[in-house]
Amino acid sequence: EAGVAQSPRYKIIEKRQSVAFWCNPISGHATLYWYQQILGQGPKLLIQFQNNGVVDDSQLPKDRFSAERLKGVDSTLKIQPAKLEDSAVYLCASSSRVGAPGNTIYFGEGSWLTVV
Amino acid sequence: DAKTTQPNSMESNEEEPVHLPCNHSTISGTDYIHWYRQLPSQGPEYVIHGLTSNVNNRMASLAIAEDRKSSTLILHRATLRDAAVYYCILKGMRGSARQLTFGSGTQLTVLP
Repeated sequence: EAGVAQSPRYKIIEKRQSVAFWCNPISGHATLYWYQQILGQGPKLLIQFQNNGVVDDSQLPKDRFSAERLKGVDSTLKIQPAKLEDSAVYLCASSSRVGAPGNTIYFGEGSWLTVV
Repeated sequence: DAKTTQPNSMESNEEEPVHLPCNHSTISGTDYIHWYRQLPSQGPEYVIHGLTSNVNNRMASLAIAEDRKSSTLILHRATLRDAAVYYCILKGMRGSARQLTFGSGTQLTVLP
């Protein structure tokens, strides 16, 4: 079974530029997550989708971050304009059922962003 | 606010058992205990989860205290490939508890 796919794997941009990350979840998984992981810290949830609707985006900095999941499958996360503190790994994850406490979440390898 | 407490780091010798502790004194009756691990330059991967009874799978065992205020992840024979950050996470049924909220985890070093 194919895992969660993410691209690009690595990206270096200058501050104030924009960047977009793409995620393809495991086939059939209705729930998709974007996490941000700053070096030395655990991942932090940015946004959660159920199909193509947003379940939770309370920690997404909406002045510069946006995410969409058209057609309930692939998703993109955009940062515009980027700041130095956005340097992090952006992890996409998916699961088959939202909210179920025994549910397993599967993560992609992440997209590494460096803002200079 | 952190709901679990783990040591920052632990060391183990290769081919020996490893016991990774986790305290969760404020656990509610419907919270599941999840363990994920993150190898270097990889995304987190699921290890094991449980509610009340001890659990075993091909990767590890999970021992849950009778009062559920603590748990221990057991790797029966550590290998160099088990060197990773191990996260103990509570996952519940309501509100933000339904999310997988990561703390800082335990960095496990396996010595050859």
